[in-house]
Amino acid sequence: KAGVTQTPRYLIKTRGQQVTLSCSPISGHRSVSWYQQTPGQGLQFLFEYFSETQRNKGNFPGRFSGRQFSNSRSEMNVSTLELGDSALYLCASSLQGIEAGELFFGEGSRLTVL
Amino acid sequence: KNEVEQSPQNLTAQEGEFITINCSYSVGISALHWLQQHPGGGIVSLFMLSSGKKKHGRLIATINIQEKHSSLHITASHPRDSAVYICAVLIYNQGGKLIFGQGTELSVKP
Repeated sequence: KAGVTQTPRYLIKTRGQQVTLSCSPISGHRSVSWYQQTPGQGLQFLFEYFSETQRNKGNFPGRFSGRQFSNSRSEMNVSTLELGDSALYLCASSLQGIEAGELFFGEGSRLTVL
Repeated sequence: KNEVEQSPQNLTAQEGEFITINCSYSVGISALHWLQQHPGGGIVSLFMLSSGKKKHGRLIATINIQEKHSSLHITASHPRDSAVYICAVLIYNQGGKLIFGQGTELSVKP
């Protein structure tokens, strides 16, 4: 059974640009959640999508957005990039959602903003 | 004060020792996750708890909802257990937001 796939694995952007990250969950999983990990702030929850609807949301500005498609694949977009957005972005898939089931994490997308 | 506090922040143990990592939280929760992250590696979910106790191999996780506290125990520790252990709580009165502890870095020496 294939795991959670995140693309791209590494990317470099400059301030002001935007970026789109992709997450393909485990087949059959309807929940995809997104996280930001930095050395200073640790892991922080961005949002969760379940069956194409945003179900939970963390405390990030509106520059961070996401969506989920009918095949459960999810994308996360960050607009007007800032230096502080440099981080490892992780997604996790779950059969029942973050409040009810085990989370399966991808390897992450490492974003560097110059 | 952080809503989720882990202790200790760093822990060094000898192979074979019994290890306990603690997680305390200050708000009502509906679920708690224990996660493991190896250096340079991805994150693995160890347990999801809403009450009581769970065991998987040498790992045991407990939660006391009334005392707002959870513990992760590792019996007969091994160098391959060296990793960062993270607890995360789901707080429903904040719109279902997931909040993480700062992590406990465990090093098990042979």
